[in-house]
Amino acid sequence: DAKTTQPTSMDCAEGRAANLPCNHSTISGNEYVYWYRQIHSQGPQYIIHGLKNNETNEMASLIITEDRKSSTLILPHATLRDTAVYYCIVRVRWSGGSNYKLTFGKGTLLTVNP
Amino acid sequence: EPEVTQTPSHQVTQMGQEVILRCVPISNHLYFYWYRQILGQKVEFLVSFYNNEISEKSEIFDDQFSVERPDGSNFTLKIRSTKLEDSAMYFCASSGRDRVSYEQYFGPGTRLTVT
Repeated sequence: DAKTTQPTSMDCAEGRAANLPCNHSTISGNEYVYWYRQIHSQGPQYIIHGLKNNETNEMASLIITEDRKSSTLILPHATLRDTAVYYCIVRVRWSGGSNYKLTFGKGTLLTVNP
Repeated sequence: EPEVTQTPSHQVTQMGQEVILRCVPISNHLYFYWYRQILGQKVEFLVSFYNNEISEKSEIFDDQFSVERPDGSNFTLKIRSTKLEDSAMYFCASSGRDRVSYEQYFGPGTRLTVT
């Protein structure tokens, strides 16, 4: 799996957009970008994934650069409950039905302040 | 919304004892995983399981560990003789086979404390 680089921590004001960057300069053509988060010792929670197009769901938006070497997770209106460690993970998503482990790094601790 | 459940939420055991951690994956999922997280450290992959056999395991998953799907709903992790360094949060996850349900969904975890 390609290596990812994320800032150790970030702060965001409640109600504002939180933009979490991730660098993955060695990403391969068949690797997807995944985002998970972990709220204080709870199980990791899937947020979103993408290959090359921007993606949006009810939780967040994912912007992937054209060269796919970096991406940004956007929480449009951060709340106090969004305070968590956010993990950017790059891996193959699907290959003949095989399942693939997730390799977690240290992630970014996002603190949403009132 | 379907979710992965784990029991117990907290298990305290003495060194050398056997423990079994239980998980109920999402009902139509076919792939099952165990991860662990030592306090203050990264989430680490232990093992993946599909079609009643281990499909991948990490170096952590030595002979002291075993997994089983004893019936159609439960997925268990057994540690035969616990060590102090086994103290950690253990997370179960599951995923489906079709492209819609392929993402891994995690349970709330079991905190294992070995004394």
